[in-house]
Formats: sequence, structure tokens, C-alpha cells
Amino acid sequence: AQTIHQWPVAEIKAVGSPLSLGCTIKGKSSPNLYWYWQATGGTLQQLFYSITVGQVESVVQLNLSASRPKDDQFILSTEKLLLSHSGFYLCAWSLWRGRAEQFFGPGTRLTVL
Amino acid sequence: GDQVEQSPSALSLHEGTDSALRCNFTTTMRSVQWFRQNSRGSLISLFYLASGTKENGRLKSAFDSKERRYSTLHIRDAQLEDSGTYFCAAEDENSGGSNYKLTFGKGTLLTVTP
Repeated sequence: AQTIHQWPVAEIKAVGSPLSLGCTIKGKSSPNLYWYWQATGGTLQQLFYSITVGQVESVVQLNLSASRPKDDQFILSTEKLLLSHSGFYLCAWSLWRGRAEQFFGPGTRLTVL
Repeated sequence: GDQVEQSPSALSLHEGTDSALRCNFTTTMRSVQWFRQNSRGSLISLFYLASGTKENGRLKSAFDSKERRYSTLHIRDAQLEDSGTYFCAAEDENSGGSNYKLTFGKGTLLTVTP
């Protein structure tokens, strides 16, 4: 069975500080991977997607970057946090090529002060 | 405007009653997925449909196979544990490439009361 793990569970960070959020998928090789962001009380917005190791595409510009250093790992980061980065970050994967069905991790709650 | 319009934005049900949530799409969609988000924030996939209907216990979902412009989620015999925020998310039929991008609705906050 596939499992998806995100770390950390929650972060409180200062404006201007760096950030690194991680996501690992076990039990599935070469999945498509995605990062989504959800403002408090809001809807979800796709930020990045990756179809293979080392390849990441940006969907919206939020002064964030993403990397896929391993087949099962997806990293979201920034060197300087903004207040607007606060929210809930979810990692997701899709099972098959040609099928949009996605499965989400437990998420990381980020508070920027 | 929004590609995915979800209604109602909030819904209160008594235990044992039935109701339906709906998503309208401003463009033709290839597929739709329904999720429930719990209080912790976890998104649980309920259904994925490329066409037709699917049923799981007290939940049933349909995706308009003709026009592909709306989907519904029916809740039968609502229970307290059904409370949460329900999202629909759809894939644009005209989206190209390898990004299976889901566009989410704004959600329906469902509260089931005894």
C-alpha cells in the first residue's frame, strides 16, 4: 500500500526566514507529485508539479520553489518567508499516467509571524 | 470567474436526513474528484469519476457524461461523522501536457447535528 508522509506537521516561522517542507511517497515508483497551498478557510491551489526526478514545473508564482531530488521525495522551499505564505501545504501524488486522480498527504500547517 | 462553482457554501443537516452538494463547471471537464477535509486538515478522497456514477455506502456521486459541466455528491442518512468540508476538484478537458491539474471549488462546510 502506498503511504505519503509530510514533514514537519506544523511550523511557526519569522518573516524573512528560510523554509523547507518535505514530502515522501512510499510504495509507488515514479509517481506524479504535486504541491498545493490552502489559505485558512480557503480553497486549494496547485503550486508545483513534477513528473520525474529533477524536473519540476511551477504553476503559480508565490516566491516559493520546489525540487524533486529523489523519485519518492518532493521538497518545497524558500529563502525568505512572507506573511502571505502562511497556510496549509499539501503534497499529493497521482497513480497512473493519463489519470488525474490524486491522493493527498496529511499536510503541514505554516504560520509566518 | 471561477472555473469550479460549488454549492451550497454551508449546509446543516440533522442526523438521518439526505442532501446533495453540487459543482458546476464553466468549461468542459475531463474528470472530477470529491474530497472531505477533516478538522485536522487531511483531504480524504471520496470519489474519482471520469463519467457516470459511483456509490460507496451512504455516498453517491455523479458526473454529467454528456456536457461534462456538473457533478453532484449525494449524502444519504447523514451521520455525525459526515461533518467536515467537502471539496470537488476537476480536471479541465483542454489542459495539455503532463500536469493533471485539479481546480478546486471553494468547498461546502457540512455540519450534521443530532
